[in-house]
Amino acid sequence: DQQVKQNSPSLSVQEGRISILNCDYTNSMFDYFLWYKKYPAEGPTFLISISSIKDKNEDGRFTVFLNKSAKHLSLHIVPSQPGDSAVYFCAASNSGYALNFGKGTSLLVTP
Amino acid sequence: KAGVTQTPRYLIKTRGQQVTLSCSPISGHRSVSWYQQTPGQGLQFLFEYFSETQRNKGNFPGRFSGRQFSNSRSEMNVSTLELGDSALYLCASSLRTSYGYTFGSGTRLTVV
Repeated sequence: DQQVKQNSPSLSVQEGRISILNCDYTNSMFDYFLWYKKYPAEGPTFLISISSIKDKNEDGRFTVFLNKSAKHLSLHIVPSQPGDSAVYFCAASNSGYALNFGKGTSLLVTP
Repeated sequence: KAGVTQTPRYLIKTRGQQVTLSCSPISGHRSVSWYQQTPGQGLQFLFEYFSETQRNKGNFPGRFSGRQFSNSRSEMNVSTLELGDSALYLCASSLRTSYGYTFGSGTRLTVV
């Protein structure tokens, strides 16, 4: 049973514009949420995270928003760059145990 | 410092065979977890080891097993391989919890 869902398999955005990647979860016990970026033939690389006690976390061009009541989080990338083209995975954890991943969203940033 | 090292990078096996994959975590990391990535299912949790003990297990058949050694290095084994086991197997290590995961580059297993 998929507890973390990324309903958009792909997203295409023009360079310089905002990329918004969405993620929904079903388990209210999740207390920590992470975004990973993955290039082909490489392992996922940690991007940004947010604790359930916050509703926003920002790191440079990347901002993650958490809406606990809607069980929804989103990753904003502003401005988007061609090097951001990759697969983005949303993940959630309960008390630091195993990460539950979504199926990923493939982002393509076009020049 | 060195990252998470997985060996081998690529592997081709025949149905019915068994395979062992290896993971060397970042020095000092005591938690090692394994994930399977397939195009249709994304990343799925296999199991996690902490200080040589399996702390958590995902929903995979008993053909999938693992262990962790005293130096925190971990191996996972898949017996009686099936075509559907073809996937990228990823290992992640952290000091203690999944919050600080660092992933290796994975082992690409192809079962023919």
